[in-house]
Formats: sequence, C-alpha cells, structure tokens
Amino acid sequence: ETGVTQSPTHLIKTRGQQVTLRCSSQSGHNTVSWYQQALGQGPQFIFQYYREEENGRGNFPPRFSGLQFPNYSSELNVNALELDDSALYLCASSMGQGDEQFFGPGTRLTVL
Amino acid sequence: SQQGEEDPQALSIQEGENATMNCSYKTSINNLQWYRQNSGRGLVHLILIRSNEREKHSGRLRVTLDTSKKSSSLLITASRAADTASYFCATDVGPYNNNDMRFGAGTRLTVKP
Repeated sequence: ETGVTQSPTHLIKTRGQQVTLRCSSQSGHNTVSWYQQALGQGPQFIFQYYREEENGRGNFPPRFSGLQFPNYSSELNVNALELDDSALYLCASSMGQGDEQFFGPGTRLTVL
Repeated sequence: SQQGEEDPQALSIQEGENATMNCSYKTSINNLQWYRQNSGRGLVHLILIRSNEREKHSGRLRVTLDTSKKSSSLLITASRAADTASYFCATDVGPYNNNDMRFGAGTRLTVKP
C-alpha cells in the first residue's frame, strides 16, 4: 500500500458522457501525475499537477482536464467520452518534480 | 508516445533462476525507473536510477544504466513465484524534472514454482 487512494474503483459510462476520477495523494506529497493504461500497454502520461498548477502534459486532447486542490488531492475529468477512453487510470504522487512516484490502485473505466 | 521498449515481451523461468529484462529508450533522460505491476493493479516502484549513475542495487534487484547506448537492464536474482508480474521501465524526459514519465509496454515475467 502506497497511501495513494483513488475513487471509484470501477466505473461504467456510455459514449458522450463525462466522468470525474479522484485521487488522494500520499501525505507530504505536492505533485500528482495522471496516467492512462490501455489493456496490455504501459501507462501513458496525461498530465502533472504541482502545487495546484498544471506542470506538463502528454499527448491527450483538451477534453482531458484536471484540478489539484489545496490539500494536493486531484481530479481527472474527461468530457465527451469515447470508446477508446476505456482503460485503467492511474494517479501517482511524489514529494516533488522528478522524485519517486507512488501509484494508486487505479480506476478501471469502461465506456460502452 | 512510448519511449522505453522492454525486451523480452515475455519471460518464463523456474523459481530460483535469475531474470534479466532490458529497456531501450530514444531521447536523453533525467532518470530511469523500474516498476512492477500485478494483474492490472497499481504500479509498485522498484528502483530509480539517475542519468549520472551506472548501477544500483536493492535487495535481489540490480539495475544498470548505459546512457551512451540508451539502455538499462533489470536483474532479479533467485526469483520467486511471487515475482510473477509485469515489469516496466519508465524514463523521465520532461524538462525541469517534471515527472513526464514515458513507459514501455512491459515485460511479462512468469516464475514457475
């Protein structure tokens, strides 16, 4: 157990809907990164938040957005869901940029 | 886009044997990290090696990094059935060390009891 928690564990949505995934970072960590992991693939970097500001973004469209709150927890929002958005979504927290990341157990999103 | 590529894609060994997995990457890096993942669950951090380091050890794990060849290897000695998992290398390529981590597709390790 890393101390990073994610909710919900599983989620089923239909195409076109919107979804919000949540992540609570490990105590003392001010940096949260989000990843998408399709079945059989490695995680793909979505974006990172450092002290409530987006600090780096991967190759994902603007319908993927996020927030980080003053307690350093974070949300990932995905609008206009597509079938290909079905994946395991992982968040990871760290004490700072470039430091060891601790991953949560993930949220399994299925888009029908 | 993926940066690291693990080799082999799958590896099956007997308990007690050593397992070696390799990772190649394309661009310069700040650091390289190895992770383990069991059955689609969260990733467990194994070792972080910085670009100015050549070798690190942690228990039964040994990681090497050759920046001239843009490659790294993970050696697990005296493997156990509990080591069965997928192993990923991830390279930190972001400017300012911003954890822009690029993962490969992983090596699926099976350790037979």
